Amino acid sequence: KAGVTQTPRYLIKTRGQQVTLSCSPISGHRSVSWYQQTPGQGLQFLFEYFSETQRNKGNFPGRFSGRQFSNSRSEMNVSTLELGDSALYLCASSPTQGNYGYTFGSGTRLTVV
Amino acid sequence: AQSVSQHNHHVILSEAASLELGCNYSYGGTVNLFWYVQYPGQHLQLLLKYFSGDPLVKGIKGFEAEFIKSKFSFNLRKPSVQWSDTAEYFCAVNEPSSSNTGKLIFGQGTTLQVKP
Repeated sequence: KAGVTQTPRYLIKTRGQQVTLSCSPISGHRSVSWYQQTPGQGLQFLFEYFSETQRNKGNFPGRFSGRQFSNSRSEMNVSTLELGDSALYLCASSPTQGNYGYTFGSGTRLTVV
Repeated sequence: AQSVSQHNHHVILSEAASLELGCNYSYGGTVNLFWYVQYPGQHLQLLLKYFSGDPLVKGIKGFEAEFIKSKFSFNLRKPSVQWSDTAEYFCAVNEPSSSNTGKLIFGQGTTLQVKP
């Protein structure tokens, strides 16, 4: 079956702009989590959605937001982009919350200039 | 707060050498434990996971890990590495019984370079 699909794969934005990233989980998976990966900070949890509700949020500013749709697809939005937001953004899906392990997508590489 | 520590940041081995990567976590309650691998240019892939039961877990590609609760450790091992094992390895933890159940905490990663 198809894996976790993230679009777009690459994105270049200018400081101050906003960006929306998309994630389609594995069919039947209802939990979607987002992570930011940078060389300096490693993999950091952004948020988790389950049944269209945000269940958990990491230590990121309010400029980072997300949502989940009824078909479990998820989007994350970053407003007022800063240079430090340049990172690989990873989406992971799981059949349900927590206990089944997570399958990751290939990520969206965001570069802020 | 929960934290995960991977002791080795960069490991260089020759083919056929044995591998052990250390991972320690800080949470004292029930945990789920994972090892992920990221091959160059590829996405994170699950190597193995521990939820409960036998503390010696076998994963894909000949990897195994041992959960030692008293030491808060979940070390990854492979008896004989291959050049194709060159990758970055991440240990991760979550807390299935808490409100943080959907949140994975990752270690900083270990880069493994296997010389042919």
